[in-house]
Amino acid sequence: AQSVAQPEDQVNVAEGNPLTVKCTYSVSGNPYLFWYVQYPNRGLQFLLKYITGDNLVKGSYGFEAEFNKSQTSFHLKKPSALVSDSALYFCAVRENRGNAGKSTFGDGTTLTVKP
Amino acid sequence: SQTIHQWPATLVQPVGSPLSLECTVEGTSNPNLYWYRQAAGRGLQLLFYSVGIGQISSEVPQNLSASRPQDRQFILSSKKLLLSDSGFYLCAWSAWRGSREQYFGPGTRLTVT
Repeated sequence: AQSVAQPEDQVNVAEGNPLTVKCTYSVSGNPYLFWYVQYPNRGLQFLLKYITGDNLVKGSYGFEAEFNKSQTSFHLKKPSALVSDSALYFCAVRENRGNAGKSTFGDGTTLTVKP
Repeated sequence: SQTIHQWPATLVQPVGSPLSLECTVEGTSNPNLYWYRQAAGRGLQLLFYSVGIGQISSEVPQNLSASRPQDRQFILSSKKLLLSDSGFYLCAWSAWRGSREQYFGPGTRLTVT
């Protein structure tokens, strides 16, 4: 079984400050990890993924995420937040095994960046 | 490039009426296809997924059904809608192999009255 936890329903940061959105996961084997962003009344957009290799993954819009195997975490980060980053963020995991095509999504974290 | 379409964008239906939501994908072959429901702007509930024509896996028992009549077409249906069927319905596709990150359509806002 696989699962994802996003421990914070809401994250508030000031524009220009660094942001972190937390995600922890559980899988039986090696994980594929993903971050998605959703703007109001829109579908989710894929931001970045971790497959293997470098633990720091860079994605769209200046976002990056750090994979930590020992802590089973995949936190989303950005050095300097923009007001336009305000949105709902989802972490997802899929086990890297065979034909297991389904991802498990977290419940989402609402990021608010204040001017 | 790949594109995913969903329609309609919004729908208001009375309780007991039928439902048909359609999703099509362009620019890829043999995609995995998914239907999700999102309530109140929060978590995603996987309803159905499909790895090929006519192959549908149901994740949650309910009065909804899904069909995949063509490789890049995925349809969500109901014979009789319930109030609890209201929500934001999202279709997504992924490649059939590899990391299978998902790409989502714009969604359909369904209100059952």
